[in-house]
Amino acid sequence: DQQVKQNSPSLSVQEGRISILNCDYTNSMFDYFLWYKKYPAEGPTFLISISSIKDKNEDGRFTVFLNKSAKHLSLHIVPSQPGDSAVYFCAASANDYKLSFGAGTTVTVRA
Amino acid sequence: NAGVMQNPRHLVRRRGQEARLRCSPMKGHSHVYWYRQLPEEGLKFMVYLQKENIIDESGMPKERFSAEFPKEGPSILRIQQVVRGDSAAYFCASSPGSGAGELFFGEGSRLTVL
Repeated sequence: DQQVKQNSPSLSVQEGRISILNCDYTNSMFDYFLWYKKYPAEGPTFLISISSIKDKNEDGRFTVFLNKSAKHLSLHIVPSQPGDSAVYFCAASANDYKLSFGAGTTVTVRA
Repeated sequence: NAGVMQNPRHLVRRRGQEARLRCSPMKGHSHVYWYRQLPEEGLKFMVYLQKENIIDESGMPKERFSAEFPKEGPSILRIQQVVRGDSAAYFCASSPGSGAGELFFGEGSRLTVL
């Protein structure tokens, strides 16, 4: 039962442009959402999070938007840099320790 | 490096052998989680442990898999009589508390079953 879905397995973007990654969820009990970034042969590293009481959270070049009614969140990276090339995982929890992850989106930033 | 430490990074086993994966949480963290990533999939929760206690093992297969986090030493994920379908990346994470929040992941242990 895939409760968190990332429907785009890959994304290619020009350096300097905006990367937009999308994530949908089905469990209405989810109230905390996170994005993790993963390089090959490394573990996921935390990028940014958002609580369900907010609809936007910004941290430098990274902004996460949450649309609770649509059960949708997105991650915006602007401007995209070559070092942003990685796999990005969307994750969600229902106010507890258990994270449900999407399958990931591989971002490639072209020079 | 005070991050989450996992070993071995790579483990090759033949079908029927045992695999033992170890995880030392970040300093000051007493909560440990194991996740498994199959090819082309996201990470799937397996088990949550605190020192000497299994809190939630709802994501762990009922047979052949076990986990522990002893009072002294690292957390161990043990897979007995491995099968090819056990081939995956196993990630350990830790946190300072048990509520919702950021998990800190190790680099993973990649198990290959021949």
